[in-house]
Amino acid sequence: QKEVEQNSGPLSVPEGAIASLNCTYSDRGSQSFFWYRQYSGKSPELIMSIYSNGDKEDGRFTAQLNKASQYVSLLIRDSQPSDSATYLCAVKESGGFKTIFGAGTRLFVKA
Amino acid sequence: DTEVTQTPKHLVMGMTNKKSLKCEQHMGHRAMYWYKQKAKKPPELMFVYSYEKLSINESVPSRFSPECPNSSLLNLHLHALQPEDSALYLCASSQDPAGTDNSPLHFGNGTRLTVT
Repeated sequence: QKEVEQNSGPLSVPEGAIASLNCTYSDRGSQSFFWYRQYSGKSPELIMSIYSNGDKEDGRFTAQLNKASQYVSLLIRDSQPSDSATYLCAVKESGGFKTIFGAGTRLFVKA
Repeated sequence: DTEVTQTPKHLVMGMTNKKSLKCEQHMGHRAMYWYKQKAKKPPELMFVYSYEKLSINESVPSRFSPECPNSSLLNLHLHALQPEDSALYLCASSQDPAGTDNSPLHFGNGTRLTVT
């Protein structure tokens, strides 16, 4: 069974701090990795995708991928209260049709 | 605004009712998906359509019946549901479902279903 593991949290950070969210996955052949943000009662929204080892930055968000360690992370700089949400790590299975989701990490940013 | 449109936004139905959820996308995506999400859980895959053909059925009970009339439309027909089927039903699309494709899922806003 292919798995994606996340710490469910909640993770609480003060406004302006860096929030660090982590994810590990079991499918060593996976090539596509995604972070979705989901506000309560809303649908998941894609915020980052990463396919190569290293860092990928987009505004206040940085995704990091280490395929050797089977580890993906998301850093949110200058965290804002509006970043308070559940962050879902998602991994597309190798050679297949499925995207496997982690359980999500709940983030609270305190004003 | 999402590019995947789902209707209705909310649906309340009795256990003997028949209803349908609808999903539409105009991004030219060739794969469409139905997910079910319970509170505080991740989305759970139900069905995948690839080029308008059913590719994956994740052992979903027959009271849920998917239909893909064309590459832009996806329906989920509901009949004789149980209260435990109450959940957020999410439609998603991706550019190409093939194993070599890297495209992410694009979700609609979901239908909040309550079965009474």
